[in-house]
Amino acid sequence: DQQVKQNSPSLSVQEGRISILNCDYTNSMFDYFLWYKKYPAEGPTFLISISSIKDKNEDGRFTVFLNKSAKHLSLHIVPSQPGDSAVYFCAASGETSGSRLTFGEGTQLTVNP
Amino acid sequence: DTAVSQTPKYLVTQMGNDKSIKCEQNLGHDTMYWYKQDSKKFLKIMFSYNNKELIINETVPNRFSPKSPDKAHLNLHINSLELGDSAVYFCASSQGASGLSPLHFGNGTRLTVT
Repeated sequence: DQQVKQNSPSLSVQEGRISILNCDYTNSMFDYFLWYKKYPAEGPTFLISISSIKDKNEDGRFTVFLNKSAKHLSLHIVPSQPGDSAVYFCAASGETSGSRLTFGEGTQLTVNP
Repeated sequence: DTAVSQTPKYLVTQMGNDKSIKCEQNLGHDTMYWYKQDSKKFLKIMFSYNNKELIINETVPNRFSPKSPDKAHLNLHINSLELGDSAVYFCASSQGASGLSPLHFGNGTRLTVT
C-alpha cells in the first residue's frame, strides 16, 4: 500500500520554463511534506518542505504547494536549469509516524538546454 | 568534510556471506537511520536510532542487525545474505526524531548479492 505516489516517472522541460512535479498521498495523518533531489550515485538532498498549516512555501526558484483537501502537493521550479536535472522524491511524515518518512517513487526531471 | 559518510560504496558478495556497512556523521545529529532503495526505486526505512536507542524497527528480517556504538555512528550487519538483499542502502541522520528536521543522506552503498 503505497501511501505517497508520484505518478509521473519522468518529466522533460526546456531550460527557462517551469517544471511542475506532482505528488499524491492517501494518509490523512500526514502533516509534514518534503521534497528531496537526488543525483546519480549520490544520496538524496533536502530541497524544501511544507507543513500542513500552510498551502505554499517558497525558496528561491522552488515553490511547494499543498492542497490538503485533494491530498496533493506539487513542486514548481522556475526557471528550470539544466543543473536541476535529477530525480525528485516527495516524502511525508505525521505525528503518529514520528521520524518515519514515507517516500514516493521519484520523478526523473530532465531540463534540456 | 563529508557530512554523512558510509563505506563501502560498492559491495559484491555471494549468497550466504555476512557483511557490514558502516556509517558516520559529523553533523552532531542525535538520530540516525538506515533506508533501503529497492529495484523499484522506493526508499523505505529500515531502522532508526535516537541517542543510540533503537526507535524504529520496521518489518526487516532479523538477519539485519543495526548497531550504534555512539551518536555519530550507525552500522548495519547482514547475516546469511540472500539475492533479494541486493539494493542500495542509504544511511541518514537528523537532529531530533520528530520527523520535522530534514534528513541528511550518505551517498549509498550498492550491495549486489550473487
